[in-house]
Amino acid sequence: QSVLTQPPSASGTPGQRVTISCSGSSSNIGSNYVCWYQQLPGTAPKLLIYRNNQRPSGVPDRFSGSKSGTSASLAISGLRSEDEADYYCAAWDDSLSGPVFGGGTKLTVL
Amino acid sequence: QVQLVQSGAEVKKPGASVKVSCKASGYTFTSYAMHWVRQAPGQRLEWMGWINAGNVNTKYSQKFQGRVTITRDTSASTGYMELSSLTSEDTAVYYCARDPFHRGGSGTGAFDIWGQGTMVTVSS
Repeated sequence: QSVLTQPPSASGTPGQRVTISCSGSSSNIGSNYVCWYQQLPGTAPKLLIYRNNQRPSGVPDRFSGSKSGTSASLAISGLRSEDEADYYCAAWDDSLSGPVFGGGTKLTVL
Repeated sequence: QVQLVQSGAEVKKPGASVKVSCKASGYTFTSYAMHWVRQAPGQRLEWMGWINAGNVNTKYSQKFQGRVTITRDTSASTGYMELSSLTSEDTAVYYCARDPFHRGGSGTGAFDIWGQGTMVTVSS
């Protein structure tokens, strides 16, 4: 089963800008939109970014997404303590006819 | 408000089956696809399958083909996921999620509403 690759951890201090990468293949990121989720401990994932760089209503503009080729990234600016969470990328996979997810990146705010 | 409310935690023995429900409210149930995603302890999210609540078309991940059945009851605005032949490796939190971008059997992976999750524990 195709999967997306993320770094297991990232960190930053309050106010900093951090980026999280996500690498895939031609059957997923290379040919489809990327989205990002935030998951706080013990809760369901929350959609942060869809269609590569679109934010659902209510998501602060501190969160931004981008995509290039078979890779994507999530940037968080003005880091805050409440941003400490797990972040997952996802994309539709044409060979699976369903979505694939990254392994998740645990963001620590120092 | 728009929400998905799932059934409660389950404890099953190996070899048994489990059926999890997901009741939708606040939107037109048949206008959206519903996906099922699971997350084993400390593991990534894993897609299991989807159902088009409007026309009952389904698609399952090859990993679960033959073991998973996703259905819906439009009169109750509820989706169901049944997983059979359970093993300890099926111990996970199971989520339902609404897909606002699903068209003609394809989507984007972006799910805007999620259920609260149902913990399924498989243990002898």
